[in-house]
Amino acid sequence: GNSVTQMEGPVTLSEEAFLTINCTYTATGYPSLFWYVQYPGEGLQLLLKATKADDKGSNKGFEATYRKETTSFHLEKGSVQVSDSAVYFCALMDSSYKLIFGSGTRLLVRP
Amino acid sequence: DAGVIQSPRHEVTEMGQEVTLRCKPISGHDYLFWYRQTMMRGLELLIYFNNNVPIDDSGMPEDRFSAKMPNASFSTLKIQPSEPRDSAVYFCASSSAQGMSNQPQHFGDGTRLSIL
Repeated sequence: GNSVTQMEGPVTLSEEAFLTINCTYTATGYPSLFWYVQYPGEGLQLLLKATKADDKGSNKGFEATYRKETTSFHLEKGSVQVSDSAVYFCALMDSSYKLIFGSGTRLLVRP
Repeated sequence: DAGVIQSPRHEVTEMGQEVTLRCKPISGHDYLFWYRQTMMRGLELLIYFNNNVPIDDSGMPEDRFSAKMPNASFSTLKIQPSEPRDSAVYFCASSSAQGMSNQPQHFGDGTRLSIL
């Protein structure tokens, strides 16, 4: 079946450090891929998406590239800020338009 | 534009009581999803609707849970009777069918439910 695997957290970084959060997926076909972010006490917000192989999604300095050959969609940011501290979820959309989420990765950025 | 609106934001009640969670999707969205989030199980899809009709309720944990969507602007998730293991954050999300495969789901801020 379809599934998403994310690296376990928490990931703790100093401000301005480089961020990578790994995400790999298992799916039939070529699903659309998403990164969502959840700030404390809030719902999930779409961060970025990619709908086909080699697409790069980007938003607010975050980027992720849809890699079909490695079935990956790693999230990166060149210089994190304290305000980026949150939980990040990788997800794929299956053929029934349901989102399959990874377990989430907590990011803590220290000043 | 108003986002997905959920109520109440917090609910604390004793086991055995009936709990009703409410959701107003974004106007014009024709898909509505109910999720549950816990530390142990992460985000789980409970049920989703298309044009007010339940499409997949395979994630509903048991008969104590029920969901309805009487019209395009309102949905409820009901737990009767409630149990302590139902304590979680419940999210509602909505999306548009247009270009569905790449349409994001828009989430509400959730209802934090505590069953004592």
